Amino acid sequence: DAGVTQSPTHLIKTRGQQVTLRCSPKSGHDTVSWYQQALGQGPQFIFQYYEEEERQRGNFPDRFSGHQFPNYSSELNVNALLLGDSALYLCASSPQGGKTDTQYFGPGTRLTVL
Amino acid sequence: AQTVTQSQPEMSVQEAETVTLSCTYDTSENNYYLFWYKQPPSRQMILVIRQEAYKQQNATENRFSVNFQKAAKSFSLKISDSQLGDTAMYFCAFMKGGQAAGNKLTFGGGTRVLVKP
Repeated sequence: DAGVTQSPTHLIKTRGQQVTLRCSPKSGHDTVSWYQQALGQGPQFIFQYYEEEERQRGNFPDRFSGHQFPNYSSELNVNALLLGDSALYLCASSPQGGKTDTQYFGPGTRLTVL
Repeated sequence: AQTVTQSQPEMSVQEAETVTLSCTYDTSENNYYLFWYKQPPSRQMILVIRQEAYKQQNATENRFSVNFQKAAKSFSLKISDSQLGDTAMYFCAFMKGGQAAGNKLTFGGGTRVLVKP
């Protein structure tokens, strides 16, 4: 049973570019959450997707957007990249519409903005 | 809004000894969960232990145990018989309970634990 997978592992972009990160949830999970983890800090909640809609959102600008597909996989898009967007982006999946405390994390995507 | 505070940026412990990590949180909720996650250099966030706020009994998972003081809003983690593989960042996290809440995690800033041989 595959766990949460994320791609790519690493990514280097320049300021102003756009980036798309991908996440496949654990088998049987229908809810995907995204977190940003700056170097040396704890993860910060970006948003959560369920039934192909954004259900919750943290304190992030509209440059951060997402999508969930019918197979429950998800994408995180960041437009007009800033140096401060450099971080580890973590995806976590949950079963039952996120109505449990169970949350499984992927290995993350390390984004570097130059 | 909930906040989680970890006051110890870094701790070191000798192999086989015990180390205790501190965590305090602030919330007006009565129904919630608390977690300790481990993040080794591989970056994978791994759940170490969880505690339901309505349970008075402290959670235990093998060498890991917590001291949950609800009134004081304190949730410390004790690692007994420390092993080299315990070297990692440890994050305390809060989740609001209830069916309509969804399961967003609020994390503390982390404590780096170094186990020395």
